[in-house]
Amino acid sequence: GAVVSQHPSWVICKSGTSVKIECRSLDFQATTMFWYRQFPKQSLMLMATSNEGSKATYEQGVEKDKFLINHASLTLSTLTVTSAHPEDSSFYICSASGGAVETQYFGPGTRLLVL
Amino acid sequence: GQQVMQIPQYQHVQEGEDFTTYCNSSTTLSNIQWYKQRPGGHPVFLIQLVKSGEVKKQKRLTFQFGEAKKNSSLHITATQTTDVGTYFCAVKTGGGNKLTFGTGTQLKVEL
Repeated sequence: GAVVSQHPSWVICKSGTSVKIECRSLDFQATTMFWYRQFPKQSLMLMATSNEGSKATYEQGVEKDKFLINHASLTLSTLTVTSAHPEDSSFYICSASGGAVETQYFGPGTRLLVL
Repeated sequence: GQQVMQIPQYQHVQEGEDFTTYCNSSTTLSNIQWYKQRPGGHPVFLIQLVKSGEVKKQKRLTFQFGEAKKNSSLHITATQTTDVGTYFCAVKTGGGNKLTFGTGTQLKVEL
């Protein structure tokens, strides 16, 4: 099946710093990548949809200037959490789909802890 | 926006018992997908249902889409400890492959 990787798998940072998370589709071209956030014991909440070569579409309530998304190639999308604060601590998960891959395949997720 | 409710929120069973989670929507759905998320892991796609009244089976798992396409269920027969995790339904919304996830049902299986 389709494989999606994420890096890093976990990160601890100080409040006010920026953190970049990478999402890669390893064996297919992902025309669309999605970024989700999941707080403990809660469901996945879609943050934004990213199409290769165009600006991301953000869900209501998600600050586009705080969560910068870049999808520069068909295999890579990045999410940068700018000026992170403790309330941004969460599990960030990307997923990818594209071409013959209609289903979303999820990356392993990145756990972010902001101190 | 689209809201998808799941019940129960938690289920604690003895190994060998059956388990069912239900997914309900106030609007008619074009399709529904089911995912399993192990503790500490990420969602893994299980199945997609698109037809009214559709029933699909995967070994001990039975998935059903309601006749009105407003609800769905996942039934596990004779649970095993490997079934532990949170089961989410998800529906495609807004065109394309955008997904809205249900609230999830956390399953715990005791020996």
